[in-house]
Amino acid sequence: DVKVTQSSRYLVKRTGEKVFLECVQDMDHENMFWYRQDPGLGLRLIYFSYDVKMKEKGDIPEGYSVSREKKERFSLILESASTNQTSMYLCASRGGGAMRGYTFGSGTRLTVV
Amino acid sequence: QQPVQSPQAVILREGEDAVINCSSSKALYSVHWYRQKHGEAPVFLMILLKGGEQKGHEKISASFNEKKQQSSLYLTASQLSYSGTYFCGTVPNAGGTSYGKLTFGQGTILTVHP
Repeated sequence: DVKVTQSSRYLVKRTGEKVFLECVQDMDHENMFWYRQDPGLGLRLIYFSYDVKMKEKGDIPEGYSVSREKKERFSLILESASTNQTSMYLCASRGGGAMRGYTFGSGTRLTVV
Repeated sequence: QQPVQSPQAVILREGEDAVINCSSSKALYSVHWYRQKHGEAPVFLMILLKGGEQKGHEKISASFNEKKQQSSLYLTASQLSYSGTYFCGTVPNAGGTSYGKLTFGQGTILTVHP
């Protein structure tokens, strides 16, 4: 089974801090995604990557950046954390082919105080 | 724009059936369905490609009406283990590669009681 591992389950950070969320997948998937999940809003795409060093903005990229230096690792960066970035962050990966679904990590619950 | 799911929540007793709908304002290439239990990651259930396909997964099946830009998830003879939040995710029929980028609905909370 594909495994997607997010480095932290819970994080508490201060306003203005630079925050790194790490995600690693073990199945050589080309595509990786970062979503945030908020009650009543579902999952909203922040950024995605379709290859090493390749990235594209999702629907809500403001305040975030990403890095993909190796195929298995996709990092989400909050340049200057704000309280409205308090959320559950989910990483997902997906292999090539039209019939493939996403495999999600367990999520990181980030609280910005 | 996010697809719209209905209903927002549904409460069932074991053995009852439910239908969850997902509607998009865009032409679609595919629809995914996921289930998320409380405190856990979403889990992939099934994918439907354009062409009016219906797929089954145990007592959970789904259909995709390409013309109406809608998909429905059918849960029959529900079990306690079906409880959770169900999300549809859509891939637009944009004519170019989308890398399978999904736009998710807001979710439908399903609660099954004994």
